[in-house]
Amino acid sequence: DQQVKQNSPSLSVQEGRISILNCDYTNSMFDYFLWYKKYPAEGPTFLISISSIKDKNEDGRFTVFLNKSAKHLSLHIVPSQPGDSAVYFCAASQYTDKLIFGTGTRLQVFP
Amino acid sequence: DSGVTQTPKHLITATGQRVTLRCSPRSGDLSVYWYQQSLDQGLQFLIQYYNGEERAKGNILERFSAQQFPDLHSELNLSSLELGDSALYFCASSVGGSLNTGELFFGEGSRLTVL
Repeated sequence: DQQVKQNSPSLSVQEGRISILNCDYTNSMFDYFLWYKKYPAEGPTFLISISSIKDKNEDGRFTVFLNKSAKHLSLHIVPSQPGDSAVYFCAASQYTDKLIFGTGTRLQVFP
Repeated sequence: DSGVTQTPKHLITATGQRVTLRCSPRSGDLSVYWYQQSLDQGLQFLIQYYNGEERAKGNILERFSAQQFPDLHSELNLSSLELGDSALYFCASSVGGSLNTGELFFGEGSRLTVL
């Protein structure tokens, strides 16, 4: 049972434009959501998070939006840069329990 | 550099064999987590240790076991290996026993290939 789903395996965006990565979850008890970024041959690194009491969290070029009624969150990257090309994992947790990860979306930012 | 060290980086072995993957957490981190990433799959949580004791268990097979030692390093033992065990195994660490900030620090992973 995949509780966290990233239905788009890949996304290609032109440099300078907005990248929108989507994530859906099924467990309404999740109360904390995170995005991790992973470059080849490296481990995932934490990017940004959001608590279920918020609907938006912004950190520089990265903004995460949470729609609890739709059980959906998204990561916006504006403007996209070639260095943003990586695999992005959405993750969720319940009551500070273990993180459940999605399958990842590979973002490619081209010039 | 996350500060989490995993060895070996690559390992090739045969079916039926047993291997041990090692993880040294960041200095000061008490929790160690093990995740498995198979081809085209997300990160599957296997197990968490906090200060030497098992804290949470995920989809870990009975053929797999782990432990955390007094110096806080951890080992993941995989036995009776099957072709399907070929994957990237990640170790992560965090300060607390629960995900207070949700942020885990991941190592670079150990790539296991079972032939």
